[in-house]
Amino acid sequence: EAGVAQSPRYKIIEKRQSVAFWCNPISGHATLYWYQQILGQGPKLLIQFQNNGVVDDSQLPKDRFSAERLKGVDSTLKIQPAKLEDSAVYLCASSRRGQTNTGELFFGEGSRLTVL
Amino acid sequence: AQSVTQLGSHVSVSEGALVLLRCNYSSSVPPYLFWYVQYPNQGLQLLLKYTSAATLVKGINGFEAEFKKSETSFHLTKPSAHMSDAAEYFCAVRNTGNQFYFGTGTSLTVIP
Repeated sequence: EAGVAQSPRYKIIEKRQSVAFWCNPISGHATLYWYQQILGQGPKLLIQFQNNGVVDDSQLPKDRFSAERLKGVDSTLKIQPAKLEDSAVYLCASSRRGQTNTGELFFGEGSRLTVL
Repeated sequence: AQSVTQLGSHVSVSEGALVLLRCNYSSSVPPYLFWYVQYPNQGLQLLLKYTSAATLVKGINGFEAEFKKSETSFHLTKPSAHMSDAAEYFCAVRNTGNQFYFGTGTSLTVIP
């Protein structure tokens, strides 16, 4: 079974530029998450999708961040314009909405963003 | 709101010594608890999870954790540390809305 795929792995941009990250979850996983992990901190949830609907985006800075999951499969996270404090690893994760309700998160390797 | 607190952002142990990483949770209902490990430049990998089936949970790589409701704790242990255990460890709690909240992490150093 293929894991969660993310791209690009690394991205360096200057402040005020834009960037987009892509994620393809594990096949059959209905729930998709984007997390932001700043160096030395735990992952912070940005947005959670259930199929193609948003479940929780309360911590997404909507003035600059946007995310979509149009067909309920892969997802894109965009930052425009980027700020220095956006430098972080952006982790995508997915989970099966399981019958046992004990589903864990499966993570991709992350996309490391450096804003100069 | 549910949350987890990890005591000790850095832990150092000698190779072969006991590993103990602490996690306390805050939850108004029986929680689903998880431990994840993160190696450099990689995503998070599940070590083990508590889902109310048994209070002592065994995971991969010889790790285990015990759920103690009276102490609201879910500490991670391993009897004998190996050099390959050096990594960042995260405790997480999942709510009924399928949202996961992570602790700030504990960096484990294993001294040869």
